[in-house]
Parts: sequence; C-alpha cells; structure tokens
Amino acid sequence: DQQVKQNSPSLSVQEGRISILNCDYTNSMFDYFLWYKKYPAEGPTFLISISSIKDKNEDGRFTVFLNKSAKHLSLHIVPSQPGDSAVYFCAASAMNDYKLSFGAGTTVTVRA
Amino acid sequence: DTAVSQTPKYLVTQMGNDKSIKCEQNLGHDTMYWYKQDSKKFLKIMFSYNNKELIINETVPNRFSPKSPDKAHLNLHINSLELGDSAVYFCASSQGQGIYGYTFGSGTRLTVV
Repeated sequence: DQQVKQNSPSLSVQEGRISILNCDYTNSMFDYFLWYKKYPAEGPTFLISISSIKDKNEDGRFTVFLNKSAKHLSLHIVPSQPGDSAVYFCAASAMNDYKLSFGAGTTVTVRA
Repeated sequence: DTAVSQTPKYLVTQMGNDKSIKCEQNLGHDTMYWYKQDSKKFLKIMFSYNNKELIINETVPNRFSPKSPDKAHLNLHINSLELGDSAVYFCASSQGQGIYGYTFGSGTRLTVV
C-alpha cells in the first residue's frame, strides 16, 4: 500500500530548461514533505522540504509546491544542470512520526 | 568526516547463510533506521531505534533482527537468507522525528545466490 506515489519513473530534459517532478500522496495525516536526491551507489541526500502550512518553498534553483487539497506536490528545478541527473525521491511524514514514507523515485536525465 | 557509514557495501552470499550488516553514525543523532530498496526501487522502512529502544518494527520476516548496542550503532542480522532478500539496504539516522529529515548511508547491496 504505497501512500506516496511518483507516477513518472523517468524524465529527460535539456540543460537550461525546467525540470518538473510530481508526487501524489494518499494519507491525509502527512504534514511534512521532503525531496531527496540520489546518485548511483550512494545514499539519498536531502534536497528540500515543505511543511503543510506552506504552499511553496524555494531554495536556489529548487522550488517545491504543495497543493494540499489535491494531495499533490511538485519539485521544480530551474535551470536544469548536468549535475542534476539523478534519482529524485519524494517523501512524507506525519507530525510526531519517525517514519518517512517514500515514493519509487523519478530518474532525471539532463541532456547537454 | 561526519556521516552514516555502513559495511559491507556489497555482499554476495548463498541461500541459507546468515549475514550481518553494520551501521554507525557519528552525527550525534538519537534515532537510526533500516530501509530496504527492492527491485521496484521503493524505499521501505524495516526498523527504527530511538536511543537503543525499538520504536518501529514493520512487517518483515523474523529472520531479520536489528540490534542497537548504543545510539550510534544499528546492525542488521539476517538468518537463513532467501533469494527474495536480495536488495539494497540503507541505514539512516535522524535527530528527532521524520520531519527533520534523515541522513542516509551509502547502502549495502545484498545478493543472495
């Protein structure tokens, strides 16, 4: 029973353009959302997060948007760079919960 | 380097064997986790310890047993390995609940033949 879903397994984008990664969740108790980035043979590393009391959080080239009513969030990367080629995981947690629930990831390839 | 380190990075073993994966963190975090990434790439939580106390124990076969000798270490022992246990196992740590994010180790790729 996957409570966090990333329906696009892969995304290819040209360098300099925008990458948009989508994530849907089903558990209405989730109130904190995180994005992780993973390179091959490495562990996931934290990228950006957003609390359910916000609808947008920005950090440099990365912006996460949250639509609570739709139970949907997205990660925008602009402009995309070759070093952004990686697997991106969406994760969610409820307040006071230690567990993070992850999606299956989206593989982003940035073309030169 | 401050990090979460797990050993070994690769483990190839025969069915029926018993093996252990070790994890150590020097971040001073109070909570540690084991996640399994299966062939479909989902990251699924297995166990979590907070200050040496088991706080999350998901539905996994009882052939899997975690052990936390202190809050900086969390080991995973697997008895009677099966083909379906082949996966990448990630250790992680956090200071507090999941909303504060995890720091992951680089993973252990277990292959059962």
